[in-house]
Amino acid sequence: GENVEQHPSTLSVQEGDSAVIKCTYSDSASNYFPWYKQELGKGPQLIIDIRSNVGEKKDQRIAVTLNKTAKHFSLHITETQPEDSAVYFCAATFGNSGNTPLVFGKGTRLSVIA
Amino acid sequence: GAVVSQHPSRVICKSGTSVKIECRSLDFQATTMFWYRQFPKQSLMLMATSNEGSKATYEQGVEKDKFLINHASLTLSTLTVTSAHPEDSSFYICSARATLAGKKETQYFGPGTRLLVL
Repeated sequence: GENVEQHPSTLSVQEGDSAVIKCTYSDSASNYFPWYKQELGKGPQLIIDIRSNVGEKKDQRIAVTLNKTAKHFSLHITETQPEDSAVYFCAATFGNSGNTPLVFGKGTRLSVIA
Repeated sequence: GAVVSQHPSRVICKSGTSVKIECRSLDFQATTMFWYRQFPKQSLMLMATSNEGSKATYEQGVEKDKFLINHASLTLSTLTVTSAHPEDSSFYICSARATLAGKKETQYFGPGTRLLVL
């Protein structure tokens, strides 16, 4: 079955610094890779996603890179702010039928220190 | 767009009673919805995949007779926890997958329901 590994499990950065979270996946057929941000007591929010035909995608301070050969993808947050503090989950899926569930990493707790 | 709501946001019930949680996609249709459970400081655990008009597909180890799922329309799925026990206390989160062409993989989550069984 498909497996997603996420590192690190916790990450502390100073405000203004960059944060990088990395994930690897096991199934080479995976073709969709979203990232979610979850604040305490709330549901996960989709912050950015990338599909397998693209190597990099950027949205303001957030970027995701995908290396299909190595089967890993990363989330990059630049100029971090205290409100970026949350738990971040990577996920992967394959196929386009709409029925295939996402497989999640175990999450990274990001703390941005003011 | 792509808003998913859940009701109730939190519920406290006595052991042995049943609790129903509703999940709605507010501005899009979703033929597929997913139900997750999340324990403190852990990742999301998929419980079941809910397909409109058909039976839900349950993950291994999830009792289908205890967690009843109904997906009666393209915008509503319900999860009923029957004969709830304290160990069922958890954060239950649903998600809905958009059916828009080219966006089928995109999955949007509800705000979650905190269940406490006394």
